[in-house]
Amino acid sequence: EAQVTQNPRYLITVTGKKLTVTCSQNMNHEYMSWYRQDPGLGLRQIYYSMNVEVTDKGDVPEGYKVSRKEKRNFPLILESPSPNQTSLYFCASSATGGASNEQFFGPGTRLTVL
Amino acid sequence: QKEVEQNSGPLSVPEGAIASLNCTYSDRGSQSFFWYRQYSGKSPELIMSIYSNGDKEDGRFTAQLNKASQYVSLLIRDSQPSDSATYLCAHRGGGFKTIFGAGTRLFVKA
Repeated sequence: EAQVTQNPRYLITVTGKKLTVTCSQNMNHEYMSWYRQDPGLGLRQIYYSMNVEVTDKGDVPEGYKVSRKEKRNFPLILESPSPNQTSLYFCASSATGGASNEQFFGPGTRLTVL
Repeated sequence: QKEVEQNSGPLSVPEGAIASLNCTYSDRGSQSFFWYRQYSGKSPELIMSIYSNGDKEDGRFTAQLNKASQYVSLLIRDSQPSDSATYLCAHRGGGFKTIFGAGTRLFVKA
């Protein structure tokens, strides 16, 4: 089954404790992206990747890191999480970064930083 | 000014009516536009994409794009209770960034 998977689905952590949210897709997609969703603000893009070893900042990259060492994986790293990073996070992928390409979203990761 | 503006709603329509959802955007360089549906607690799923001025129909859904006026709309004909969700408008410009609106909540009353 073609899908985007994220782990963990739910995470409660404390300020300053490094964490990684994994994202994997099995569709051989070139383009992957991370979003956060907050009430009233919609989805905001954090980082995106056009291919292996090629990443760029979205609108809200501060406090986050990403890497793309393999085509299928695009982990999101929070080196020192803070309470304002409490949010619902979605990973997405599309065949290419072209304007016409549909993005497929993972199930989401709900992160709480205390 | 937000790059993509949507009325947060809720928009309430009776079953069988037409639901009209609107979205305005500020980036004149935007090339492609998308409507996603998101049920509560779920991830967004694509309903329609549109790239050219005019209308695009797919079943009960019609997307309308007017680049000169910088708006895109989504019409849902014969609305059903299962259409109750949040509808997200998004656009992509010349780069790879995708900008989403905050979404409009739609309630279809049986």
